[in-house]
Amino acid sequence: EPEVTQTPSHQVTQMGQEVILRCVPISNHLYFYWYRQILGQKVEFLVSFYNNEISEKSEIFDDQFSVERPDGSNFTLKIRSTKLEDSAMYFCASKNPDNDEQYFGPGTRLTVT
Amino acid sequence: AQTVTQSQPEMSVQEAETVTLSCTYDTSESDYYLFWYKQPPSRQMILVIRQEAYKQQNATENRFSVNFQKAAKSFSLKISDSQLGDAAMYFCAVWNGNQFYFGTGTSLTVIP
Repeated sequence: EPEVTQTPSHQVTQMGQEVILRCVPISNHLYFYWYRQILGQKVEFLVSFYNNEISEKSEIFDDQFSVERPDGSNFTLKIRSTKLEDSAMYFCASKNPDNDEQYFGPGTRLTVT
Repeated sequence: AQTVTQSQPEMSVQEAETVTLSCTYDTSESDYYLFWYKQPPSRQMILVIRQEAYKQQNATENRFSVNFQKAAKSFSLKISDSQLGDAAMYFCAVWNGNQFYFGTGTSLTVIP
């Protein structure tokens, strides 16, 4: 069964550094998403992406965040200057074009020290 | 505004018994979907069951079923014949066509 993959599984970075989280969505999916989950809290929507542009973003997704689909397969989330409060699990998801089912990747645990 | 409320932060169930996890939501959308996701210790979000809001019939998926009360905006998950592998965090979510809104989760413990 096809699945969404994410790399790395765990990223440790120092405050102020840039990080890029990578996702490979399911190949025939057209909508892509990033979510984050601060430890012990609920999953929060960050951004949705369709047709090579952001279709919706939350208030969390400020100027420090950007997304890109640099080629036909990868979907990346960049945080320009990480803050301690960016420490969280980041989930990528892609949506089946035939229904509204989203498939989540295994997540990347980001630790900012 | 969309909100999803899971009022049970923790639940426990004896193996082979039945447990119901509650969820209420508020949405201004007329067309939406409801989901339950399971998050085991591995942290991956796994779809358990989905319900289209326009369908009156409650969704079922093997041992998992929902009680969808649209007027009350209630969407509870029933797990029958609970198994040790069901132990996880369970998140209720509303999909409004653009994004998910998740509840705060219910941690389910299965007692052998």
